Amino acid sequence: NAGVTQTPKFQVLKTGQSMTLQCAQDMNHNSMYWYRQDPGMGLRLIYYSASEGTTDKGEVPNGYNVSRLNKREFSLRLESAAPSQTSVYFCASSGDSVPSRGYTFGSGTRLTVV
Amino acid sequence: AQTVTQSQPEMSVQEAETVTLSCTYDTSESNYYLFWYKQPPSRQMILVIRQEAYKQQNATENRFSVNFQKAAKSFSLKISDSQLGDTAMYFCAFMKTSGTYKYIFGTGTRLKVLA
Repeated sequence: NAGVTQTPKFQVLKTGQSMTLQCAQDMNHNSMYWYRQDPGMGLRLIYYSASEGTTDKGEVPNGYNVSRLNKREFSLRLESAAPSQTSVYFCASSGDSVPSRGYTFGSGTRLTVV
Repeated sequence: AQTVTQSQPEMSVQEAETVTLSCTYDTSESNYYLFWYKQPPSRQMILVIRQEAYKQQNATENRFSVNFQKAAKSFSLKISDSQLGDTAMYFCAFMKTSGTYKYIFGTGTRLKVLA
């Protein structure tokens, strides 16, 4: 099925460990996004990529890096995980018709940092 | 900067009844889009309904409708004939029409439909 695929779905890390969250879309969308969801805070934008080869910071970029590997893939890396990064992470993508269709979201990654 | 406020952290409604979820926002933009997303326990984000600010007519999608008051910067969601499957977290979101299409989300309202 067409859509946004995120891996892994669940992950537990120890403080200081690193990991990369993977995201891929097969809808030929130009723009991709990473959000984190925390209780009582809604979804907040970490980084986004308006097109292949470009990335920009969102509202809460500290502690994260991203790579837009190609048009399909947009990864999020935690270099040294901290307990404050315990969250649910969503990847999303959008095409030119985003105002009418909104984003297509992945199913999320629940990350726990202990 | 734009902000989105959902003042009802939790709500409940009896099956088959009607419930209204509130959303207010702040912006200096004249044109923009507003959305309601549903997030069931599966975590999947599902687009429920959208509204374009320049359109005065309120959007409707089956049992879901909005009350858009542009001057008051209010965008409430009405769910009619509530069903158990409507139990979910609901997020209101704002999007500018210029620049990159980024959402600003509210903090969400957890809705529980009671049998």
